[in-house]
Amino acid sequence: QSALTQPPSASGSPGQSVTISCTGTSSDVGGYNYVSWFQQHPGTAPKLLIYEVNKRPSGVPDRFSGSKSGNTASLTVSGLQAEDEADYYCSSYAGSNNVIFGGGTKLTVL
Amino acid sequence: QVQLVQSGSELKMPGASVKVSCKASGYTFTYFAIIWVRQAPGQGLEWLGWIHTNTGNPTYAQGFTGRFLFSLDTSVSTAYLHIRSLKSEDTAVYYCARAPSILTGNFDYWGQGTLVTVSS
Repeated sequence: QSALTQPPSASGSPGQSVTISCTGTSSDVGGYNYVSWFQQHPGTAPKLLIYEVNKRPSGVPDRFSGSKSGNTASLTVSGLQAEDEADYYCSSYAGSNNVIFGGGTKLTVL
Repeated sequence: QVQLVQSGSELKMPGASVKVSCKASGYTFTYFAIIWVRQAPGQGLEWLGWIHTNTGNPTYAQGFTGRFLFSLDTSVSTAYLHIRSLKSEDTAVYYCARAPSILTGNFDYWGQGTLVTVSS
């Protein structure tokens, strides 16, 4: 099973919005409303930002939002801040009690 | 507070075995599955699979059957990842995380990661 497709990099200036895409197939992203997004700063463990496409765990700012259309999910970061500079990974349920991750996107705050 | 604390870094020779532990605290261990994910140096996250903490039933991702083994000791709220016949390409940081449901992807608490280096 191939990884979900994410752009390798994205960037934006402070205060701007940036959207990161995550493309899969009808067997994963398109087949289930079970897409998650994780943020990872260098040398640290991933942090859950979004689950079930658009749900935010408590403590995650509402600047982070998720959506999905067909086989592509998206993470939007609004009001970019310096601390948002990190790697972002999507994941999706892929059937048969398995999960697949995206390749990751490095977000740079200019 | 919820915590997952993993064992320390390991340096192993090719062909050896390693056992990584993941000790949970701050919640009822058997209410959440434990997932395992690895990250090779400079690479992305890779799903290894998960273990049902109530039944002990493991599910392995494609390509991770045979050499990888998930186990539990519920008496000490600890999950284990055992890798045998280590290869250089197994060099990675290995993470555990808890999951109320594999389906929803709500992997809300993660261990700090364990670096396993395989080198002669």
